[in-house]
Amino acid sequence: EAGVAQSPRYKIIEKRQSVAFWCNPISGHATLYWYQQILGQGPKLLIQFQNNGVVDDSQLPKDRFSAERLKGVDSTLKIQPAKLEDSAVYLCASNPSGGESQYFGPGTRLLVL
Amino acid sequence: GEDVEQSLFLSVREGDSSVINCTYTDSSSTYLYWYKQEPGAGLQLLTYIFSNMDMKQDQRLTVLLNKKDKHLSLRIADTQTGDSAIYFCAEIRGSYGQNFVFGPGTRLSVLP
Repeated sequence: EAGVAQSPRYKIIEKRQSVAFWCNPISGHATLYWYQQILGQGPKLLIQFQNNGVVDDSQLPKDRFSAERLKGVDSTLKIQPAKLEDSAVYLCASNPSGGESQYFGPGTRLLVL
Repeated sequence: GEDVEQSLFLSVREGDSSVINCTYTDSSSTYLYWYKQEPGAGLQLLTYIFSNMDMKQDQRLTVLLNKKDKHLSLRIADTQTGDSAIYFCAEIRGSYGQNFVFGPGTRLSVLP
């Protein structure tokens, strides 16, 4: 079974630029999560989707971050405009409906200069 | 407090046992998890325990859960250099039990 795929693996941008990350969850997994992991910290949930609907986006900085999962499969996370403090690893995870465990992708490492 | 807490560093000798501790916050969490993160990689699920259990053993891993004190521990027997990584505990919060909250991670260093 293929794991959670993410791209790109690395991205370097200047502040105020825009950036987008892509995630393809494990086939058949209804729930998809985006996390932000700042260096030296644990992952922090940004947004959770159930199929193509948003379950929880309470910690998403909506003035600059947006995410979508239009067809209930893959998802994109966008930052516009980026700030220095957005430098982090952005992790995508998925789990099947009713499943008790999350499966993580390798992450996208973002550096904002 | 509202944070999941872990000690940040642990150093052990190869062949010794490692014990990584975690304090969580939500007494209604149904599952508690341990994840491992190696450099440059995503998080790998190691094991989890259901909240009605006190202990779970899986090969070299033993999870102990003290619900009264909201304390979770991970014991790694016969620790190897390949066990060097960051270990995160996580709890589930939320009305529908869907929000994973992670601790800051414990960096385990295994010395030869």
